[in-house]
Amino acid sequence: AQKITQTQPGMFVQEKEAVTLDCTYDTSDQSYGLFWYKQPSSGEMIFLIYQGSYDEQNATEGRYSLNFQKARKSANLVISASQLGDSAMYFCAMRASNTGNQFYFGTGTSLTVIP
Amino acid sequence: DAMVIQNPRYQVTQFGKPVTLSCSQTLNHNVMYWYQQKSSQAPKLLFHYYDKDFNNEADTPDNFQSRRPNTSFCFLDIRSPGLGDAAMYLCATSSPGTYNEQFFGPGTRLTVL
Repeated sequence: AQKITQTQPGMFVQEKEAVTLDCTYDTSDQSYGLFWYKQPSSGEMIFLIYQGSYDEQNATEGRYSLNFQKARKSANLVISASQLGDSAMYFCAMRASNTGNQFYFGTGTSLTVIP
Repeated sequence: DAMVIQNPRYQVTQFGKPVTLSCSQTLNHNVMYWYQQKSSQAPKLLFHYYDKDFNNEADTPDNFQSRRPNTSFCFLDIRSPGLGDAAMYLCATSSPGTYNEQFFGPGTRLTVL
């Protein structure tokens, strides 16, 4: 079975500082993708960044980077230079080859950026 | 711009009165999903389609039904809404394949009176 764990229900960060949101996963598949989504209070889920299980380099997308440690089964999201607009829920998700089109979500982390 | 559209954005219904939520996409994706999300929780998958192939989650109540008449449209029918069905309903699409992300619509927030 696939499982995503996010152990930080809430996080605070000072504006302009960097923050790391934790995500660990469990799967027996060798081929899988890891995704991070942002959900502001408006409710829409916004795709941020993706990492494939066979990617050797950590993914980066602007101020977002993914710290992928395959042996530890972790895929932490790093947000650099936090902005007030980064305040939102953040969800880690996984899609594995043996479970086809299904995505598995963690319970989310609520991030608050403090001015 | 290619996108996922949900209508309406806000829906109010009465206890027991059937309601239909709609989703359309211009991305031409094979896979469409319906999620239920309650406050401060992760989205919960209700069902998904791969083309016309319907996949129901084991714990999705019978009260929830879905239709996908063509590639672009997908509907969520709640036959007899209860107070516990008040939630945000999210539609998403994806191409098949492990490394493809989901694209979400803005959601429909359902209130049951």
